[in-house]
Amino acid sequence: EVQLVESGGGLVQPGGSLRLSCVASGFTFSTYWMHWVRQLPGKGLVWVSRINSDGTSISYADSVKGRFTISRDNARNTLYLQMNSLRAEDTAVYYCARVIIGGSRSMDYWGQGTLVTVSS
Amino acid sequence: DIQMTQSPSSLSASVGDRVTITCRASQSISSYLNWYQQKPGKAPELLIYAASTLQSGVPSRFSGSGSGTDFTLTISSLQPEDFATYYCQQSNSPPWTFGQGTKVEI
Repeated sequence: EVQLVESGGGLVQPGGSLRLSCVASGFTFSTYWMHWVRQLPGKGLVWVSRINSDGTSISYADSVKGRFTISRDNARNTLYLQMNSLRAEDTAVYYCARVIIGGSRSMDYWGQGTLVTVSS
Repeated sequence: DIQMTQSPSSLSASVGDRVTITCRASQSISSYLNWYQQKPGKAPELLIYAASTLQSGVPSRFSGSGSGTDFTLTISSLQPEDFATYYCQQSNSPPWTFGQGTKVEI
């Protein structure tokens, strides 16, 4: 069974840092591209970042570029999101999601999400 | 960036109704259009990818159509478990963008 389990969320002050983790199981993690997607409280879904299977190709939303860093450790089956210089507007539930194999580039499995709250 | 616009933002329907949600892209995205369902407090789930391909395990009452800029999600006979929020998402080019969501209520 495919599982994605996020952790690392919590309360942080503006300007602070957090590192989110997403542990994958039930599939060959090293062959899949992965995304981070966030959802502001009561709002819609917003794409944050994407990484290819070996970590050599990465992209970010403009809103997080220069502050967030996506990475992965295929030996540990883990995806990361390092978040620095956090702002109140980064408050959201953060989901990791797997990219489906094939050409559609859709996200076929999602984790349960981890809540990040940026507040003083 | 490609903007995705869904309509309506919300709708009220009854069990057994046929429901149609539309999604428009600000530029052509070929068939790189995906639909997700999200229930309160849960992660989104993939329903349809590549505009019209049903994800494994998704009931056949769900269907998708369209290409280019205009897309449709149809639920042929609404069931109690279908009351949720639905999002379209383009995967043609980054930044990947989502529609604002359509909430289907009783």
